[in-house]
Amino acid sequence: ELKVEQNPLFLSMQEGKNYTIYCNYSTTSDRLYWYRQDPGKSLESLFVLLSNGAVKQEGRLMASLDTKARLSTLHITAAVHDLSATYFCAGSNFGNEKLTFGTGTRLTIIP
Amino acid sequence: DTAVSQTPKYLVTQMGNDKSIKCEQNLGHDTMYWYKQDSKKFLKIMFSYNNKELIINETVPNRFSPKSPDKAHLNLHINSLELGDSAVYFCASSPRGSGREGEQYFGPGTRLTVT
Repeated sequence: ELKVEQNPLFLSMQEGKNYTIYCNYSTTSDRLYWYRQDPGKSLESLFVLLSNGAVKQEGRLMASLDTKARLSTLHITAAVHDLSATYFCAGSNFGNEKLTFGTGTRLTIIP
Repeated sequence: DTAVSQTPKYLVTQMGNDKSIKCEQNLGHDTMYWYKQDSKKFLKIMFSYNNKELIINETVPNRFSPKSPDKAHLNLHINSLELGDSAVYFCASSPRGSGREGEQYFGPGTRLTVT
């Protein structure tokens, strides 16, 4: 059964700095997703990664996937306050559409 | 033009009551899901339906019963509510065969509080 672990659980960083959130998964995952959740809000899809070596970027966020290492990363460049949120990674497999979520990383950007 | 909607947004009820949460999507998706997010923000799948057929049923007490009258709706009925059922319940839907395969679109959530 797929298990997904994220670290760190909590991340407090200053504006302008760079940092990376890590997502490890236990068995084969055909697809890897990153979602953002603001307090009291729903989940917003950020990235879908489908193949080894996939890299996607949107603004200050960049996600990558290494299927051999069973690792995905979400890199934040020059953080700004409005990136403060909880970020989840999730995996799924073809033929079984459920998402298995990581524990989430609560990111706080300090001015 | 809400994509995935849920009602109600908040639900406060007493132990032992029966309640329902409704979900509708206007995206034309084939597959719908229920997820539970607990107080520690952990998200876990409960059920999934594809074209009104149950395809995923995780280890959930049988007090929880999903119903899909058509592929645009997936409701969740909960009998004999317990304190531990307090959580945020998210409905989601996903298409099949699109470029972003399997990407799930989430509703706004229903915060259930059992007292």
